[in-house]
Amino acid sequence: KQEVTQIPAALSVPEGENLVLNCSFTDSAIYNLQWFRQDPGKGLTSLLLIQSSQREQTSGRLNASLDKSSGRSTLYIAASQPGDSATYLCAPEGNEKLTFGTGTRLTIIP
Amino acid sequence: NAGVTQTPKFRVLKTGQSMTLLCAQDMNHEYMYWYRQDPGMGLRLIHYSVGEGTTAKGEVPDGYNVSRLKKQNFLLGLESAAPSQTSVYFCASSYRLAGGPNEQFFGPGTRLTVL
Repeated sequence: KQEVTQIPAALSVPEGENLVLNCSFTDSAIYNLQWFRQDPGKGLTSLLLIQSSQREQTSGRLNASLDKSSGRSTLYIAASQPGDSATYLCAPEGNEKLTFGTGTRLTIIP
Repeated sequence: NAGVTQTPKFRVLKTGQSMTLLCAQDMNHEYMYWYRQDPGMGLRLIHYSVGEGTTAKGEVPDGYNVSRLKKQNFLLGLESAAPSQTSVYFCASSYRLAGGPNEQFFGPGTRLTVL
């Protein structure tokens, strides 16, 4: 059974800093890995999807990397802004199903 | 495009009552999913569907039933609600091109309280 861990559970940083969120998973037989953000009381918004054949994916200030063999993915956020405050979830996909971590709650301090 | 919509947004039930949650998507996606989200446990898959007329069990299916009579709709039913079913329910949909990614898109959620 796939298990997903996200460390740290919570993170507070001053505005403008670059930061890295970590995701580890136990079963490396995955097809893709998706990163989401969730604002309080809202649904999930897809940020990036990395296919198993890719090493990384970029969208604006976000960069996600994937190392299947070691069961790790990282989400890098450059020049953080207060609007980046949210919970970030990673979810590897296996057998057409996503398995979610419990997320990292990120707070950007103005 | 409305994307994925969920009805209702909030609901309070008494133990033993029944209800149906409706999920609709206008993206012509083949796959649809129902999740529940509880504090400290992350999202867990309840049931899913890989096409019209199909359903399959996820990680936590007990106490729930689903139907996918139309491609755009996926219904989640609670026949006899229990306090343990108090949760936030999310619906998602996705497409899959042959050999391609399976990116899921989520609805805004339904907050259900069972007293």
